[in-house]
Amino acid sequence: KNEVEQSPQNLTAQEGEFITINCSYSVGISALHWLQQHPGGGIVSLFMLSSGKKKHGRLIATINIQEKHSSLHITASHPRDSAVYICAAGVGGNMRFGAGTRLTVKP
Amino acid sequence: KAGVTQTPRYLIKTRGQQVTLSCSPISGHRSVSWYQQTPGQGLQFLFEYFSETQRNKGNFPGRFSGRQFSNSRSEMNVSTLELGDSALYLCASSLGQLQETQYFGPGTRLLVL
Repeated sequence: KNEVEQSPQNLTAQEGEFITINCSYSVGISALHWLQQHPGGGIVSLFMLSSGKKKHGRLIATINIQEKHSSLHITASHPRDSAVYICAAGVGGNMRFGAGTRLTVKP
Repeated sequence: KAGVTQTPRYLIKTRGQQVTLSCSPISGHRSVSWYQQTPGQGLQFLFEYFSETQRNKGNFPGRFSGRQFSNSRSEMNVSTLELGDSALYLCASSLGQLQETQYFGPGTRLLVL
């Protein structure tokens, strides 16, 4: 069993839909990260969570430390949200990564 | 502030050669971490350096090594290259705290023939 499990692997949505990506981890962590990777490889950090909930624009991330589970929500999805979303859990830069969720948002 | 830079961006090597990749962190950042990304294994942690000391190491063979200089720039070296080392190598920098955003560079794409 992987140390960080992410679901779903692939997700296709219509523009405007509410999207949820889930992440479960089994390693000890100081923080849980949600990353976005576009074609070409560049990775952008969306959230760093150690507890509770964070919101940036249409993106919301939550974490339940007791259940070792985190979710990333995208409200009112848009085609520009199409990317691979990766969950990473660990201590400092020593992170374990989920396999990623490939999101496609259709107009 | 300039972002994390990595050089070179693309590299082609042949089996048995060695390669050195470079990562310059954001100014003021003292921690640099390295990751390997392949289609089969996804993203994997290689090592983390903080103030010129290796703080953590992933599960990679000894052919993979790294170092960090006093200006926080970091290099990683892969000796005796194998076909399976073909990957995107990413580095990320941070101030060095344990709960902190990691800022990723654009990556070096290595192809081993």
